[in-house]
Amino acid sequence: AQSVTQPDIHITVSEGASLELRCNYSYGATPYLFWYVQSPGQGLQLLLKYFSGDTLVQGIKGFEAEFKRSQSSFNLRKPSVHWSDAAEYFCAVASSGSARQLTFGSGTQLTVLP
Amino acid sequence: NAGVTQTPKFRVLKTGQSMTLLCAQDMNHEYMYWYRQDPGMGLRLIHYSVGEGTTAKGEVPDGYNVSRLKKQNFLLGLESAAPSQTSVYFCASSYPPVNYGYTFGSGTRLTVV
Repeated sequence: AQSVTQPDIHITVSEGASLELRCNYSYGATPYLFWYVQSPGQGLQLLLKYFSGDTLVQGIKGFEAEFKRSQSSFNLRKPSVHWSDAAEYFCAVASSGSARQLTFGSGTQLTVLP
Repeated sequence: NAGVTQTPKFRVLKTGQSMTLLCAQDMNHEYMYWYRQDPGMGLRLIHYSVGEGTTAKGEVPDGYNVSRLKKQNFLLGLESAAPSQTSVYFCASSYPPVNYGYTFGSGTRLTVV
């Protein structure tokens, strides 16, 4: 069975600083990987996804992520964080079953200091 | 488009009571899912459906039942609520395959006292 680990429960950065959120996955085949963002009291919004091809993928809101097969990682990055980026971020991997269910990590809470 | 709509948004139940959470999507998605979100545990899959009339168990199905009588609706039922079912419940839908990602509802916050 697949699994996702987000090692950082909470990260605090200053506005304008760069950001990297870590995600490690466990999956036997080529994974389908996703990053979602959840603002307080809201549902989850898709930031970006990786299926194949270029290992650096671009998403919405200026986010990008890099797939590294050798490290089983799919880290999320942003060069300059805005106060509106404060939210919880979830990494997810799709299963190999017919419904392609997503398995989520436990999330990383991002706080942005002014 | 409304996307994925969940009702109700909040609910407080007493232990042993029953209730049904409704999820409706207007995107003609084949697949629908129910997740629960608990602090520090991310989202865990309760049940899912790959089409009208089909349902299947996810990671944490005990204490829940589901039905998908119409393609656009996916119902989650709690027959006898327990405090351990206090959580935020999210419905999601997608096209097959999952390449497109899920569209999530805004959640139902359920408290069982």
